[in-house]
Amino acid sequence: DAKTTQPTSMDCAEGRAANLPCNHSTISGNEYVYWYRQIHSQGPQYIIHGLKNNETNEMASLIITEDRKSSTLILPHATLRDTAVYYCIVRVDDYKLSFGAGTTVTVRA
Amino acid sequence: EAGVTQFPSHSVIEKGQTVTLRCDPISGHDNLYWYRRVMGKEIKFLLHFVKESKQDESGMPNNRFLAERTGGTYSTLKVQPAELEDSGVYFCASSRNNYGYTFGSGTRLTVV
Repeated sequence: DAKTTQPTSMDCAEGRAANLPCNHSTISGNEYVYWYRQIHSQGPQYIIHGLKNNETNEMASLIITEDRKSSTLILPHATLRDTAVYYCIVRVDDYKLSFGAGTTVTVRA
Repeated sequence: EAGVTQFPSHSVIEKGQTVTLRCDPISGHDNLYWYRRVMGKEIKFLLHFVKESKQDESGMPNNRFLAERTGGTYSTLKVQPAELEDSGVYFCASSRNNYGYTFGSGTRLTVV
């Protein structure tokens, strides 16, 4: 069973920040949070991951709450090419990715 | 570096036939994973190889599915005989360790 819940969909204006929430209230202490996205018919594309601390890379930032029961993915300046399904994922058993249903993000001009 | 390659990209077969999917991981990646999404469902884990050894095949739906990774390089996933409910997209992923996972584009399997 999926360990994450996300909004089904959200819209974002081009050039603005997109904040994608995710709940993972049953996450265990050593389970990482990963974010991937899937653009149309491509395979899932890695975005970022973290355990406890906030993380940032060239694509996005990941904010994890202190109790680790939720997190937010931030796309700082959304572009039309960021339109995709975004998956918040918990890594269980040290290697297995538990996908949820994802959030369909539509970036509008 | 080259990505994870899967083929065929699409396969349409009749119920009862056999299909073999192939995955070429990124060179040097000892870990290889199979996932699938069936219609309307979430992407689900199927199994995990470390080199040529199956570490976890708990997600394999039944004994009609057979995965191999001879020599620890490419992997195959055979479905024999295929059933209608096997239709979906099968993804392969690889990683050097258990942190960074690179997925292939998937094989869309349609059983008619």
